[in-house]
Amino acid sequence: KAGVTQTPRYLIKTRGQQVTLSCSPISGHRSVSWYQQTPGQGLQFLFEYFSETQRNKGNFPGRFSGRQFSNSRSEMNVSTLELGDSALYLCASSPVTGLESYEQYFGPGTRLTVT
Amino acid sequence: GENVEQHPSTLSVQEGDSAVIKCTYSDSASNYFPWYKQELGKRPQLIIDIRSNVGEKKDQRIAVTLNKTAKHFSLHITETQPEDSAVYFCAASRGRRNNDMRFGAGTRLTVKP
Repeated sequence: KAGVTQTPRYLIKTRGQQVTLSCSPISGHRSVSWYQQTPGQGLQFLFEYFSETQRNKGNFPGRFSGRQFSNSRSEMNVSTLELGDSALYLCASSPVTGLESYEQYFGPGTRLTVT
Repeated sequence: GENVEQHPSTLSVQEGDSAVIKCTYSDSASNYFPWYKQELGKRPQLIIDIRSNVGEKKDQRIAVTLNKTAKHFSLHITETQPEDSAVYFCAASRGRRNNDMRFGAGTRLTVKP
């Protein structure tokens, strides 16, 4: 099976702009989670989507939002970008069902730089 | 919410020695504990995991132990090799119905040849 894919891989934006990142999960995986990775804060959970519904949410401001489509692909959006939003954004997919239902597999990430 | 603490933050060992990384968690509802290895510039890779109904799990040179009562779990790597050098993350979640995985801060492991 193909792995988790994310687009774009690199992005440079200016403060105040908004950005949309895309994640395609492994075929058959129904859960998609998003994480922010920075050198100072490590890997932080943003939110998780399952069956087009946000099932869990981390401690991030409302500027961070997401959605999931019927084919399980997911997008996350960050509005009014701040310098501190510069990070590697990782998505991970999980089958949710079956013997490996707990496991999450990461995509390569989108490196966002805010100037 | 869940809080995961990981120690040490850096670990340097000689090739062939063992390495141990420890994590504690706060949410007693957590029941799934994976470990990820992240090499520089690459995505985190799942290397081993354990569920709360198991106390220990081993896969070749890697083992994980879980103490539910004390809320801590550990990663053990034996016969370390230079290619084991990476950042290792522990994590905890409430399982497949709640994929709100919380990660430790990471341990940078260096294996010296």
